Amino acid sequence: QQPVQSPQAVILREGEDAVINCSSSKALYSVHWYRQKHGEAPVFLMILLKGGEQKGHDKISASFNEKKQQSSLYLTASQLSYSGTYFCGTEAGGTSYGKLTFGQGTILTVHP
Amino acid sequence: KAGVTQTPRYLIKTRGQQVTLSCSPISGHRSVSWYQQTPGQGLQFLFEYFSETQRNKGNFPGRFSGRQFSNSRSEMNVSTLELGDSALYLCASSSGLLGQETQYFGPGTRLLVL
Repeated sequence: QQPVQSPQAVILREGEDAVINCSSSKALYSVHWYRQKHGEAPVFLMILLKGGEQKGHDKISASFNEKKQQSSLYLTASQLSYSGTYFCGTEAGGTSYGKLTFGQGTILTVHP
Repeated sequence: KAGVTQTPRYLIKTRGQQVTLSCSPISGHRSVSWYQQTPGQGLQFLFEYFSETQRNKGNFPGRFSGRQFSNSRSEMNVSTLELGDSALYLCASSSGLLGQETQYFGPGTRLLVL
């Protein structure tokens, strides 16, 4: 089952912050975050493994709440280059192990 | 290191035909996954190959098949094309275990079925 991302779209001014959420009804083994710009391939941002860890680099970080099966991507002090569609990909256990199921995407637009 | 390459980049076919898409992973990567991306359904997992063996499969009909060669290059085949097969087909490579490794995506093959 596809994870649910929220919000579907967000518009920011440069320097503003945003949070994108990804929720699953399944017990998750890992969550992957990607950004895709129009006409380009998805670009990897980070992986979070079961264990509730938080990761980050530069001004983009993410957390994984294992109890809620939810991950959040935090973008702080947004830049124009952050514009794009953000996807979370989830890997569940059992027969779904090794398969990534992607959310529908969140369109992020950053204006000057 | 060269990135993931896919050929062809664009393809136009008619209903009923078949098509073969090719993917060359990053050197040293043994896992290749294929995805279909459409505006309506988003990114959907097709299958994953590791060391020439299909390790995982998504929920697509048997018309969609793939294989991987000893040099890790992979091909995807779609037989008896339908209009709904029009999509961007992406392949991604990683070094090993899908859930724990970074996947690097290729630029995709855009298929249009008329």
